[in-house]
Amino acid sequence: KAGVTQTPRYLIKTRGQQVTLSCSPISGHRSVSWYQQTPGQGLQFLFEYFSETQRNKGNFPGRFSGRQFSNSRSEMNVSTLELGDSALYLCASSLAGMPGEQYFGPGTRLTVT
Amino acid sequence: GNSVTQMEGPVTLSEEAFLTINCTYTATGYPSLFWYVQYPGEGLQLLLKATKADDKGSNKGFEATYRKETTSFHLEKGSVQVSDSAVYFCALIANAGGTSYGKLTFGQGTILTVHP
Repeated sequence: KAGVTQTPRYLIKTRGQQVTLSCSPISGHRSVSWYQQTPGQGLQFLFEYFSETQRNKGNFPGRFSGRQFSNSRSEMNVSTLELGDSALYLCASSLAGMPGEQYFGPGTRLTVT
Repeated sequence: GNSVTQMEGPVTLSEEAFLTINCTYTATGYPSLFWYVQYPGEGLQLLLKATKADDKGSNKGFEATYRKETTSFHLEKGSVQVSDSAVYFCALIANAGGTSYGKLTFGQGTILTVHP
């Protein structure tokens, strides 16, 4: 069974731009969670989607948004990029009823200059 | 809110040494507890889990016991190998529905380096 895939793997953007990251979950997984990983703040939860509905959201500004499609694929968008948004963005999928057993993708490394 | 605290790192050991990485948590109710591992250049992987008090999770020689009385979930391995070098994260998920959906709360991670 294919794992969680994320595209692109690396991205360089300029302050003020916007970016869209994509995540394809494991087949059959309907829950997709997104995390931001930085050396200073560690792993922080962004949001979770299940059956195209956002069920939970972390403490991030409204510039961070996401969506989920009917095939469970998910995208996250960051608008008006700031230098502090440079991070590894991780997507994870899980089966319904097993929310803590998350399968992580390799991440998208975003660098904002 | 919920939080996870891991022992300060990094940890450097010789091969075949005993490993302990301490983890304590703060949470309302009865969370499920996890250890995730991140090998160099790879994504996070679930190492083991425990869903209720006194449960012992185990995998690949690693063990951790859910201790509600001390709110701890310490990771142990009797004999580490060079291949165990990685970053280890303790995590919890609340079992209260609502704001817990899909939200793992992680500790800051502990870097383990094992020398031959």
